[in-house]
Amino acid sequence: DAGVTQSPTHLIKTRGQQVTLRCSPKSGHDTVSWYQQALGQGPQFIFQYYEEEERQRGNFPDRFSGHQFPNYSSELNVNALLLGDSALYLCASSLGTEPYNPQHFGDGTRLSIL
Amino acid sequence: KQEVTQIPAALSVPEGENLVLNCSFTDSAIYNLQWFRQDPGKGLTSLLLIQSSQREQTSGRLNASLDKSSGRSTLYIAASQPGDSATYLCAVKITGGGNKLTFGTGTQLKVEL
Repeated sequence: DAGVTQSPTHLIKTRGQQVTLRCSPKSGHDTVSWYQQALGQGPQFIFQYYEEEERQRGNFPDRFSGHQFPNYSSELNVNALLLGDSALYLCASSLGTEPYNPQHFGDGTRLSIL
Repeated sequence: KQEVTQIPAALSVPEGENLVLNCSFTDSAIYNLQWFRQDPGKGLTSLLLIQSSQREQTSGRLNASLDKSSGRSTLYIAASQPGDSATYLCAVKITGGGNKLTFGTGTQLKVEL
């Protein structure tokens, strides 16, 4: 039973560039959430996708956008990269959007901005 | 706005010692509270989940308690081992806040031989 998988594992970009991160949810899950974890900090909620729509959004600028595909996989896009976007980006999947559904996390994508 | 704080930020203990990690949250209207473990450069592994109506949960050498009225939770680790070295994060789901987690800043634990 495959868990949550994220790609790539590591990524290096320069300021102003754009990046796309990918996530495949755990088998049987239909909801994907994205979190940003800066070094030494706890993860911060970016947004959540269900039925191919953004259902919840945290306090992140419009430079952060996402997409969910019919197979439930998801992408996180960040435009006009800033040095402060350097972080571990975590994807979590669940079955549905209700709070009683536990979230399962992937190992993350480490994004470094030069 | 819900804020979650963890104290201490870092902790170093000798092997075999019992220890307590603390988590506090500002808004007691939570659905549940969860403790996670994170190894360096890795994702999050769920350790214990406490529903808002529960007082504690136990798994092996781990025991988590919840006092919702005072906005506090503790994670007790018995007979610590070097393999317990990791960062421990607590997170809450806010009542009416859907399925998003609000995390604390974590406690980095090192268990020394």
